[in-house]
Amino acid sequence: NAGVTQTPKFRVLKTGQSMTLLCAQDMNHEYMYWYRQDPGMGLRLIHYSVGEGTTAKGEVPDGYNVSRLKKQNFLLGLESAAPSQTSVYFCASSYLSFGQAPFGAFFGQGTRLTVV
Amino acid sequence: DAKTTQPNSMESNEEEPVHLPCNHSTISGTDYIHWYRQLPSQGPEYVIHGLTSNVNNRMASLAIAEDRKSSTLILHRATLRDAAVYYCILLGLTGGGNKLTFGTGTQLKVEL
Repeated sequence: NAGVTQTPKFRVLKTGQSMTLLCAQDMNHEYMYWYRQDPGMGLRLIHYSVGEGTTAKGEVPDGYNVSRLKKQNFLLGLESAAPSQTSVYFCASSYLSFGQAPFGAFFGQGTRLTVV
Repeated sequence: DAKTTQPNSMESNEEEPVHLPCNHSTISGTDYIHWYRQLPSQGPEYVIHGLTSNVNNRMASLAIAEDRKSSTLILHRATLRDAAVYYCILLGLTGGGNKLTFGTGTQLKVEL
């Protein structure tokens, strides 16, 4: 049982390049989330989705786009990477919203992104 | 969203109980108290949650004050694997339930 899988695990980008981070979950969860974590800080919500075909903005959405074309996948895109987007990105999924999910949310192992 | 306050760090010896406190004096009547932990170089992991009554599961216990303005996560016998950052988070069933907000948490150090 893979749970939540993030691809890639590491990436170095040059300023202005674009890339897509992939999050895949095999638990048939409705809710999926993308977070970023900067050194010494807690996680901040970028975007989230409450079901296939839906997306919504979180706390820090600027510079990112997302898509949820399939229930099991949630993609995070950076159209023009900036050094300020250097961070560790975490994807999460849950059966219901965080507040309702009886066993909480499941997080991936993270993607470490460096923009130079 | 209601705010939580946790100590920045705590230390424990292996095999001893650990009590991690969390203050949430502005908690609303419908907010659940959730705990997550983040092991080094890993994503957060759900630990436990509760509303009013104390809760137990295989990982930990959650003791909630009668006025709900504070709670304590209890690890009954700390192991080296329990060294992590522990986050106390308040969540409602709607609205804020979709926006899990992590503070800086408590860094737990476990020594032999």
